[in-house]
Amino acid sequence: GAVVSQHPSRVICKSGTSVKIECRSLDFQATTMFWYRQFPKQSLMLMATSNEGSKATYEQGVEKDKFLINHASLTLSTLTVTSAHPEDSSFYICSAIDGQHSSYNSPLHFGNGTRLTVT
Amino acid sequence: RKEVEQDPGPFNVPEGATVAFNCTYSNSASQSFFWYRQDCRKEPKLLMSVYSSGNEDGRFTAQLNRASQYISLLIRDSKLSDSATYLCAVRGAGSARQLTFGSGTQLTVLP
Repeated sequence: GAVVSQHPSRVICKSGTSVKIECRSLDFQATTMFWYRQFPKQSLMLMATSNEGSKATYEQGVEKDKFLINHASLTLSTLTVTSAHPEDSSFYICSAIDGQHSSYNSPLHFGNGTRLTVT
Repeated sequence: RKEVEQDPGPFNVPEGATVAFNCTYSNSASQSFFWYRQDCRKEPKLLMSVYSSGNEDGRFTAQLNRASQYISLLIRDSKLSDSATYLCAVRGAGSARQLTFGSGTQLTVLP
């Protein structure tokens, strides 16, 4: 259980374009999804928390107008990097929580990640 | 001070060695603790949860010391396949369910 799928796994785009990353929960309903970012040789940093049907909560320093998050259904959340710049190149990883069957002590399970390279 | 801090590493150990990693956390109200393994250019995968009483899974043992606010991971009889980055993760108190990760400790097991 708790399978999270992320797509695409890798994307290369030109500076100024937008990129959409999808995160799907395959065998459960994800009431909450988390978006993390990881730069080379650094740890995962939480960008935002998205709850189904409501606005995402962004961490300090993360521009909500640049990183658009939509969690329109219980199985899908999307992260759109708008007007991408080379400094946005990173590894983006999503995670989802099964609100019905998980406890506060449940671990997070991650999607396979999206490696974004902006040229 | 960072919320979660780990041994910087890297650790290079021979096959069969025992290696231990530590991780400290600053929020004394933290509730849940985990160790994840991350292979190069891959997503983190849960290695084990960490319980107050300590827990063991094969060659891996995790311990929690609430008084000193640290968790540890012990790997016995290291295998080449154990080479990876090990991340500790902490969940704080309150209703938020996100995890805060340490910066990771890189382990290389040498033949």
